[in-house]
Amino acid sequence: SQELEQSPQSLIVQEGKNLTINCTSSKTLYGLYWYKQKYGEGLIFLMMLQKGGEEKSHEKITAKLDEKKQQSSLHITASQPSHAGIYLCGADIKGAQKLVFGQGTRLTINP
Amino acid sequence: NAGVTQTPKFQVLKTGQSMTLQCAQDMNHEYMSWYRQDPGMGLRLIHYSVGAGITDQGEVPNGYNVSRSTTEDFPLRLLSAAPSQTSVYFCASSYSATGVDSPLHFGNGTRLTVT
Repeated sequence: SQELEQSPQSLIVQEGKNLTINCTSSKTLYGLYWYKQKYGEGLIFLMMLQKGGEEKSHEKITAKLDEKKQQSSLHITASQPSHAGIYLCGADIKGAQKLVFGQGTRLTINP
Repeated sequence: NAGVTQTPKFQVLKTGQSMTLQCAQDMNHEYMSWYRQDPGMGLRLIHYSVGAGITDQGEVPNGYNVSRSTTEDFPLRLLSAAPSQTSVYFCASSYSATGVDSPLHFGNGTRLTVT
């Protein structure tokens, strides 16, 4: 959905390096979700952020929602081959019963 | 628990044919939805349901019908398949009736090709 813009669309990093993926909206995000998709498979839920300034971590992945609730970032520390896949952000933008998604970021980890 | 089960995994149709993509969940989730995934466009919402007997349109509903006669099942019908409907289809469900304050659980997808 163009209501959610992800950047970059594609990312290639050396194993062990840190990286950041961004998810931006011009409107307030009522709930922000990060998912990971391995090639050819379904989506796996990573984290959910709802409050402005909120930050959550799981293993080496940290997600933040800015104070204005219009941008979120996903940061991976010391990347590993297991981190490779497509990362998607999803959000309820209009406060309605619909979750819209960004275009996705394809992450490749080179050994 | 099986979670969200989609069938079939792969399907090839000819233009004009109809078919139903099946979706079932065993988690007693109220909210269910269908998305299609196309390269460079992420996931786009087709239809969703906040409970049995209630359905509504998403971003790209044209050419698709849904019904929700039970809590468990949410089939997606293609009335007259077109090449533009070639895509990967995902069914998802969650606890919340609003679908936005509890994470969606996704099926493994159905890869549809229309020739």
